[in-house]
Amino acid sequence: AQSVAQPEDQVNVAEGNPLTVKCTYSVSGNPYLFWYVQYPNRGLQFLLKYITGDNLVKGSYGFEAEFNKSQTSFHLKKPSALVSDSALYFCAVRDGTGGSYIPTFGRGTSLIVHP
Amino acid sequence: DAGVIQSPRHEVTEMGQEVTLRCKPISGHNSLFWYRQTMMRGLELLIYFNNNVPIDDSGMPEDRFSAKMPNASFSTLKIQPSEPRDSAVYFCASSRDRGPDEQYFGPGTRLTVT
Repeated sequence: AQSVAQPEDQVNVAEGNPLTVKCTYSVSGNPYLFWYVQYPNRGLQFLLKYITGDNLVKGSYGFEAEFNKSQTSFHLKKPSALVSDSALYFCAVRDGTGGSYIPTFGRGTSLIVHP
Repeated sequence: DAGVIQSPRHEVTEMGQEVTLRCKPISGHNSLFWYRQTMMRGLELLIYFNNNVPIDDSGMPEDRFSAKMPNASFSTLKIQPSEPRDSAVYFCASSRDRGPDEQYFGPGTRLTVT
């Protein structure tokens, strides 16, 4: 079984400040971890993923995420938030050890960046 | 590539009518997913195809929902008869295969059943 938790429904941050969107996961085997962003009236858009290797993953639009195996977390971060980063963010996990080929998505976190 | 294409973008229909949503995945992608998104339930997987074969349809709500993938470049999701509780945004997504590949989502179809 696999699951994802995004403990915050909403994150508020001031423009220029660092942002963190939290994600924890549970999976039987090795995790494949993903972050997606959804802007209003749009489909989900891939940001970054962790498959193996370096725990710090860099993605689109200046976002990065850190894989922490001991804490089973994959938090999304950005050093300096922009108002245009305001959107809905989804974390997803898949069992990379050959289990289900279907990812499990979290419920999403709404990021609001204030000017 | 044009990305995943969905049609129509918006659909308004009356309860009891048949609704057909269409999806064209990215060329070369072997996996296709249909999702439904609502405020109450979030993003729900309805069905997953691999190489045009339905692999997991456990998310299909009931017999009113059916999905087909007659070839690698086309899939449909049909609701018959439609009900107001089916109102949602329906997304199609594709990925290369069963590897560690990300999904590419279409723009969605916003369905309103009155």
